[in-house]
This record gives sequence, structure tokens and C-alpha cells, in this order.
Amino acid sequence: HVTLRESGPALVKPTQTLTLTCTVSGFSLSTSGMRVSWIRQPPGKALEWLARIDWDDDKYYRTSLKTRLTISKDTSKNQVVLKMTNMDPMDTGSYYCARTGILGAYVDYWGQGTLVTVSS
Amino acid sequence: QSALTQPASVSGSPGQSITMSCTGTSSDIGSYNLVSWYQKKPGKAPKLMIYEVIKRPSGVSNRFSGSKSGNAASLTISGVQTEDEADYYCCSFAGGSTLVFGGGTKLTVL
Repeated sequence: HVTLRESGPALVKPTQTLTLTCTVSGFSLSTSGMRVSWIRQPPGKALEWLARIDWDDDKYYRTSLKTRLTISKDTSKNQVVLKMTNMDPMDTGSYYCARTGILGAYVDYWGQGTLVTVSS
Repeated sequence: QSALTQPASVSGSPGQSITMSCTGTSSDIGSYNLVSWYQKKPGKAPKLMIYEVIKRPSGVSNRFSGSKSGNAASLTISGVQTEDEADYYCCSFAGGSTLVFGGGTKLTVL
């Protein structure tokens, strides 16, 4: 039974760094073909793919946010971590971690999401 | 990458067939047979309904089907049921290991 669970602060101040953790179960981050993405949804807007990390530690980032994002994994803890620097109120939204399928072309399992508000 | 375009809402009566559209560009939908659809109900995680344009994951009702033509994709629900009421999001691979999503369509079953 595959599950993903996001955790992190609900409120961050502008300019701070956001750190989100995704804890997975039902699969191993080191198994060939496993990929985990972070996806967010600002209020009233479309879903946005942010970053992905693969079983072999390859990493991919949304071009427009590449300088602010860092994705990493701790296989022993079954965790994927996303860091986003210099947070802005425009970064407010729900953040989801998601297991990504073949070629990284679709999401086969999603977490419930965590709402992050950026406000002073 | 620009978001894919979806109608804000569609509606139908139980038993009807409904189709919702998803319009992209030649850089995403038009270039890859890698369109997926997700169902999102309040308070629940999104659920994969269709992947690679036409494939259904195990456990998804065969009332759900997908198609693609040019730069646009569609999700059809045959014999819509009240339990299908949800938000639906389309997604396309957009090259460079990136995904682009639509803004979502709210399905109301009257």
C-alpha cells in the first residue's frame, strides 16, 4: 500500500527558507524506476510541477524556480526533502509530494498535501 | 511553461456522458502521448484516472476514457454518477523531465 505524507511549517515569513519533508511507505526510494516529485497549487490557480528526484539521485527542477529549489532524499528514512529559499507571498499554496511514474510522465500516487502560507 | 487550458466547469445528469477538454501546445500535448488525468475530491489526495492518453490504472472504472487530437486532450465519463462529482485536472509531459498541468474542471452531477 503506497502512501506519501507531507510535513512542514504551515506559516513562513517572506524571505525565509521553506523546508518540506515527504515520508513515503509501500515502496523504496532506492528501487530502480522510483521517482518522487513536488507539486504545488496556489489558491485558485493551476497545479505546478516543481522538482523531481529519481532512484539514482538524478534531480530535475522547474526552470523558473531552479535557483530557489533543492530536492534531496534520505533513503534510510524513506524521506524526500524540498527546500525553497527566499519565500514570497506568491508562494502560498498547497504543496504535494507525489510518486511519479515511467519517464516521470505522470503521478501514480499523491500525498494529501500541506498548505503553506507566506506572510509576515 | 504555460498551464494547460481547461473549462472551469462542466455538468451533467446521472447516466449522461460528459466530456471535458484540455488544450495545450505543440510543446506539450502535441509532442507527446503522455497526457494524464486526475480526480480531486475535497480533503482527499488527487487520484490518477488516465495516463499515457488512454490507459486506465487498475481499479479505475471503465466509464472513464481519454483521447487526444493534435494539441488537445479529452476525458470522457460515460454514464456519469454522483460519486464522480469532483475536480479534474489534466497534465502533460512537456519535455526536459517537466510536467505541465491544467487549471482544473469542476464536474457537477445534477
